[in-house]
Amino acid sequence: GQNIDQPTEMTATEGAIVQINCTYQTSGFNGLFWYQQHAGEAPTFLSYNVLDGLEEKGRFSSFLSRSKGYSYLLLKELQMKDSASYLCAVREGAGNNRKLIWGLGTSLAVNP
Amino acid sequence: KAGVTQTPRYLIKTRGQQVTLSCSPISGHRSVSWYQQTPGQGLQFLFEYFSETQRNKGNFPGRFSGRQFSNSRSEMNVSTLELGDSALYLCASSPAPRGRNYEQYFGPGTRLTVT
Repeated sequence: GQNIDQPTEMTATEGAIVQINCTYQTSGFNGLFWYQQHAGEAPTFLSYNVLDGLEEKGRFSSFLSRSKGYSYLLLKELQMKDSASYLCAVREGAGNNRKLIWGLGTSLAVNP
Repeated sequence: KAGVTQTPRYLIKTRGQQVTLSCSPISGHRSVSWYQQTPGQGLQFLFEYFSETQRNKGNFPGRFSGRQFSNSRSEMNVSTLELGDSALYLCASSPAPRGRNYEQYFGPGTRLTVT
């Protein structure tokens, strides 16, 4: 994802809170997604933001600022099973030119 | 509801050969997207199909092609395989390619190794 930047690796402690940032530059922003991918498995959907603000879903929240080209994923009460790669993806374009552009992912290690 | 299925799960081919990968979306989903995932490049979009029509295509050479059938099942084909084609190929389905309905459900992938 040459137009999407997110940290390569992060480490956190079980029970803590971690924030994974994602910055992007796109033409024709049309929504931002966060996915979780455990090693050897397929990505699974976590959240979707298209308007500015915070979307909360249980222990996970996602924030978007379109003017700043910035999003973050907030994980609370970390559990060992949260160790995974977190992928930021931006949908750009309109009509038949819409496509998802993916970041390279942030590998999160949760330690006891 | 059954998830997205992909066959085969693992494949070993030699350079110059061709390969066909299959994807069956979730029942009722009409949009299917294909991605190539490698450690260095991450997820790279290949193409998207909706109602048997290719809606969008990524920046891959013409050796990569795909199609979608009337039952929404999709296939992708790679001809004249190169070593660099070794990757995990992921298929994702969604109800429709717009709005929140664009949430994509991924299959387990096909691990292709080219020797």
